[in-house]
Formats: sequence, C-alpha cells, structure tokens
Amino acid sequence: DAMVIQNPRYQVTQFGKPVTLSCSQTLNHNVMYWYQQKSSQAPKLLFHYYDKDFNNEADTPDNFQSRRPNTSFCFLDIRSPGLGDAAMYLCATSRTLAGQETQYFGPGTRLLVL
Amino acid sequence: DAKTTQPNSMESNEEEPVHLPCNHSTISGTDYIHWYRQLPSQGPEYVIHGLTSNVNNRMASLAIAEDRKSSTLILHRATLRDAAVYYCILREGTSGTYKYIFGTGTRLKVLA
Repeated sequence: DAMVIQNPRYQVTQFGKPVTLSCSQTLNHNVMYWYQQKSSQAPKLLFHYYDKDFNNEADTPDNFQSRRPNTSFCFLDIRSPGLGDAAMYLCATSRTLAGQETQYFGPGTRLLVL
Repeated sequence: DAKTTQPNSMESNEEEPVHLPCNHSTISGTDYIHWYRQLPSQGPEYVIHGLTSNVNNRMASLAIAEDRKSSTLILHRATLRDAAVYYCILREGTSGTYKYIFGTGTRLKVLA
C-alpha cells in the first residue's frame, strides 16, 4: 500500500503560470520534505515541515513556497515557473528529524514547463 | 559543510558481491551515514544507515572506516533488481537545524 502519495505523476505547466504539486502520507509522520531532482543529478532539499514549523533551505528560491494544512498533506507551490524549474519533485516523510531516522519517499511528480 | 564523493558508475556480475565506496573526509562526529537507492522512475528508498559501527540488514551491509572518513555499502549477491543509483548521504545527529548532504550517486549496472 502506498505510504507517500504524490499526484499527479506528471504535470505540465506554462512558463510563468503558477502550479501546485501535492503530497499526502498515511504514515502519520511529523516531518515532510520537498526535494527537487534535475536530470542525472542527486535530489536537492528545498524545505521541510516539522509539524507546522516550516524550515527553508538557504538557497531555495523565493519562487518556491509550501503549505501543510494538516499532518497528512503538504503542497509545493511554484509561483512563476521558469524553464529551469523543470524537474522531478520528490516528497518524503520521516517520523522525526533525528539523524538516524529513515525517510520515506513518494514516487515523485515530473514537472514540465513549456 | 561535510561533503560526500562517490564514483559515477560501477558494474557487477549477477550473484557476485558489490562494494560501493563513499568518501566523506569532512564528516563531523554527529553525522549519520545513510545509503538510499533510486530505481528508474521511482523515488529513493532506504537501504541502510550507521554512525560508527558496521551495520547489517536484510538488504545490505555498511562498513564504516575507523576514522569515519569513508564508508562502503556492500551488496552480498547482486541481482538484476539491484540496478539503481546508490546515494551516500550525511545527516547531522541532532534535531533542529541540520544539513542533509547527498552524494553524487553511483549508478550500479548488474550484468546477467
């Protein structure tokens, strides 16, 4: 059974048109993460939520925002997508932020910007 | 910041052991070493993690150098389903502000 669900698997948007990607989890984990993965590169952490506390990575562009309305759901908003934002976006969860905690990843949403 | 270095690619024959190296010479005392793998068109999945001692689980073994500046993921008998990109990742050991450093990943090809 899927534990971290991302919809849709593929998303097409237009240059400059806001887009929202969604993630849900059935694990009841406290932490939810968003990663960006460009072709042939490692995933790059954008930000995470610990419960309702939002933590932005220092180099995450302002164009990327996130919302977590409840424990189960987390959204990634890209306010004005550019061609360089085309990538796979991965959602992950973990029980806590402790260093030994395992992360559970979703299958990802591949974003195409036209 | 601690960084990790991995070979870009490796090959192995099916049913033979595979040793995937990772260098993390600037690791700090509280950084955990994690390994994840990513199969094509999927999100990464957890393989194993450790702090100082060698670790074994049903998927793999993790050998950590005594000075912790390198580690090796060991797949005891590679199968075709093990073909994936393997990432070595460092995480700080405390909650709160932390860094999560992915290596560049090693693409493992398993030959039948």
